[in-house]
Amino acid sequence: NAGVMQNPRHLVRRRGQEARLRCSPMKGHSHVYWYRQLPEEGLKFMVYLQKENIIDESGMPKERFSAEFPKEGPSILRIQQVVRGDSAAYFCASCPLAGGPRNEQFFGPGTRLTVL
Amino acid sequence: ILNVEQSPQSLHVQEGDSTNFTCSFPSSNFYALHWYRWETAKSPEALFVMTLNGDEKKKGRISATLNTKEGYSYLYIKGSQPEDSATYLCASGGNSGYALNFGKGTSLLVTP
Repeated sequence: NAGVMQNPRHLVRRRGQEARLRCSPMKGHSHVYWYRQLPEEGLKFMVYLQKENIIDESGMPKERFSAEFPKEGPSILRIQQVVRGDSAAYFCASCPLAGGPRNEQFFGPGTRLTVL
Repeated sequence: ILNVEQSPQSLHVQEGDSTNFTCSFPSSNFYALHWYRWETAKSPEALFVMTLNGDEKKKGRISATLNTKEGYSYLYIKGSQPEDSATYLCASGGNSGYALNFGKGTSLLVTP
């Protein structure tokens, strides 16, 4: 059973470009979390999605960031008009059950975004 | 305590030593406490999810305790081995949302 997959593992963008980060949850998991780790910081919650629904986006920046988890295909975290401050590692995690802090989360290897 | 705090930030022990580190978290609206083990170049891997005050969990040489009233959890490693070298993360979740709030981790290095 493959684990959580993220691609690309490394992404370089110039300021003003768009970044698309993909996350394929574990087989049978229909719930995805996205986290961001800025340099010297801990993991920060961004958004929690079920298939076709955004459940909790309280950690998402108000502008330029969006996330989706379509019925088919991976979850996508999209960052428009990237700035240098967006440089970070972005992790997704999946879980099989309806989301809540009592459920174990299974993490992907992360995508390291560098904005030049 | 508003954030999840972990101490020490890093730790260097010899093989065979036992060690422990601390996670402090907001005790109000507490719902769950997670411990993860994160090896370099790999994904964080769940060790324990704890919910009840006084909970103790064990997996091999690693164990954890939970005090929800005072807002802390301890992670213990008995007889550390070089393969235990990793960053250990704790995260707490409240009862008003889905977010886990992570600490910055304790980086453990075990040398032979």
